[in-house]
Amino acid sequence: AQSVSQHNHHVILSEAASLELGCNYSYGGTVNLFWYVQYPGQHLQLLLKYFSGDPLVKGIKGFEAEFIKSKFSFNLRKPSVQWSDTAEYFCAVKPPSGSARQLTFGSGTQLTVLP
Amino acid sequence: DAGVTQSPTHLIKTRGQQVTLRCSPKSGHDTVSWYQQALGQGPQFIFQYYEEEERQRGNFPDRFSGHQFPNYSSELNVNALLLGDSALYLCASSSTRLAENYNEQFFGPGTRLTVL
Repeated sequence: AQSVSQHNHHVILSEAASLELGCNYSYGGTVNLFWYVQYPGQHLQLLLKYFSGDPLVKGIKGFEAEFIKSKFSFNLRKPSVQWSDTAEYFCAVKPPSGSARQLTFGSGTQLTVLP
Repeated sequence: DAGVTQSPTHLIKTRGQQVTLRCSPKSGHDTVSWYQQALGQGPQFIFQYYEEEERQRGNFPDRFSGHQFPNYSSELNVNALLLGDSALYLCASSSTRLAENYNEQFFGPGTRLTVL
């Protein structure tokens, strides 16, 4: 069974600081990788996803993530955070066999951006 | 185009009671998955429905059951509620037919269940 580890439970940054959130997964095969964001009072939204190809993927709102297969990692980055990025961020993995497979989520990282 | 909708938004029950939560998938989607998100945790997979059958199940007791209707909407039922069942219950839909976003699940706003 796959598992996901998010190393930071709570990250506090000032506006314009750079962000990197760690995500490591364990799974003995090919996976699809996702980052979801949950803004206060809102539903989970997809930030970006990796299925194959270029390991550097760009998502919405200036976020990007790099898949490093040798490290089983899929870290999320943003060069300059804004106050509106305050939210909870979840990394998730799924075997690539279509939609008929469950997402496995990490425990999440709460990001607080101070104005 | 409506996204994934869930009802009710909030629910308060007492221990031992039964609850039914409802989900309508995004238009064009035929697969519904249910997740439980406890406070401070990531969502945990409960089960998935496709073609009106449970296709995959996570590590949840059989007090948790579900159903999918011909219009692809779904219900989650929880019997004999425990305090530990208090959580946000999320529904996610996906499509086995659409090449685009084939592997992507879209989430609803969730139902907040409180068991007293």
